[in-house]
Amino acid sequence: DVVMTQSPLSLPVTLGQPASISCRSSQSLVHSDGNTYLNWFQQRPGQSPRRLIYKVSNRDSGVPDRFSGSGSGTDFTLKISRVEAEDVGVYYCMQGTHWPPLTFGGGTKVEIK
Amino acid sequence: EVQLVESGGGLVQPGGSLRLSCAASGFTFSSYDMHWVRQATGKGLEWVSGIGTAGDTYYPGSVKGRFTISRENAKNSLYLQMNSLRAGDTAVYYCARGLGIDWGQGTLVTVSS
Repeated sequence: DVVMTQSPLSLPVTLGQPASISCRSSQSLVHSDGNTYLNWFQQRPGQSPRRLIYKVSNRDSGVPDRFSGSGSGTDFTLKISRVEAEDVGVYYCMQGTHWPPLTFGGGTKVEIK
Repeated sequence: EVQLVESGGGLVQPGGSLRLSCAASGFTFSSYDMHWVRQATGKGLEWVSGIGTAGDTYYPGSVKGRFTISRENAKNSLYLQMNSLRAGDTAVYYCARGLGIDWGQGTLVTVSS
């Protein structure tokens, strides 16, 4: 199974400052169809997860453009250009290239300093 | 508008059974893989089962032989039959469309005597 490793575990950020979360996979996430099925999710306190980014760098509808995804192969990053109060929550990466199983990173908790 | 509404959670004794349901609307249900993902309190996301559009089913080792995922396209519904429940199965269970495109609000399963 593909292991997804996120860092850091916790990310205290000052409002208006950037934030960056790393996600590494134990094997390449490039699918035989040429796509890389690496998604990012946001889970605000008390809410269900919400997909922010799909296939590495594509923002979902309604997601602010301060969120961006990048990376390739086994190394991926979610960036928030300027953190706002509503961005507090836990962020997860997930791979769908080698499912089953779907595998998630352990999560990164973003909080305001 | 896409909606996924889970139901069927509750308190059950160890060794007992529960059947979760997920009612889907707002999209062509039969065209999507569907998944169940769970989250224990304060923990990360764990994939529990998946079903393809052709009815092919997949499970991680932790639930294989105990859980059964199924779908009824005519009713736009997804199910999870959970048998031989253990304390470690206690979690909020979410249904999700595709690779996490949309998520339900979750249903809480508590396994305790």
